[in-house]
Amino acid sequence: GQNIDQPTEMTATEGAIVQINCTYQTSGFNGLFWYQQHAGEAPTFLSYNVLDGLEEKGRFSSFLSRSKGYSYLLLKELQMKDSASYLCAVRDNQAGTALIFGKGTTLSVSS
Amino acid sequence: DTGVSQDPRHKITKRGQNVTFRCDPISEHNRLYWYRQTLGQGPEFLTYFQNEAQLEKSRLLSDRFSAERPKGSFSTLEIQRTEQGDSAMYLCASSPPSGRHNNEQFFGPGTRLTVL
Repeated sequence: GQNIDQPTEMTATEGAIVQINCTYQTSGFNGLFWYQQHAGEAPTFLSYNVLDGLEEKGRFSSFLSRSKGYSYLLLKELQMKDSASYLCAVRDNQAGTALIFGKGTTLSVSS
Repeated sequence: DTGVSQDPRHKITKRGQNVTFRCDPISEHNRLYWYRQTLGQGPEFLTYFQNEAQLEKSRLLSDRFSAERPKGSFSTLEIQRTEQGDSAMYLCASSPPSGRHNNEQFFGPGTRLTVL
């Protein structure tokens, strides 16, 4: 089976850096995804990791360690608009092509 | 192309009624997914189409649920004899067959279903 864990809530202030962790267990790992979801809106794609290491894209970076079943999303220079839910998802060969999502981490950014 | 579209955006129905939702994927995206999301949870996979073929179905997809993609373009999700537990956001996503974005799933705005 699959299991994905991430913190339920996090808070941070504008301009700060925040790291959202995700641990997972899968039978046939085939990629890890991070999505951002604002309240009442659809998830939007942030990043994709399939090999170990860091992927950087502007203010957002995502890291993967397959041996540890661990990923993190790093958000720099936080802005108020970054307040949202951040969803960690994995693709498992044993489960087909669909994404298996965690429950999401609600990030609140204050001034 | 403006992205994945879903219709209706909101649906309120009484228990026992049938409802049907429509999803129009991004053009030329041959892969289409349906997910269900309840409050405080991440999306849960329901079913997957590649072109017109329904290749994967979740155990969540009971016999009251049926999905089609008759011409490999738009898709419909029907729920028969709705129950209050069916209240959720139903999300559709699509992916292209190849290219730099082929690992991404592009989500539509969702249909929020409320069963009274």
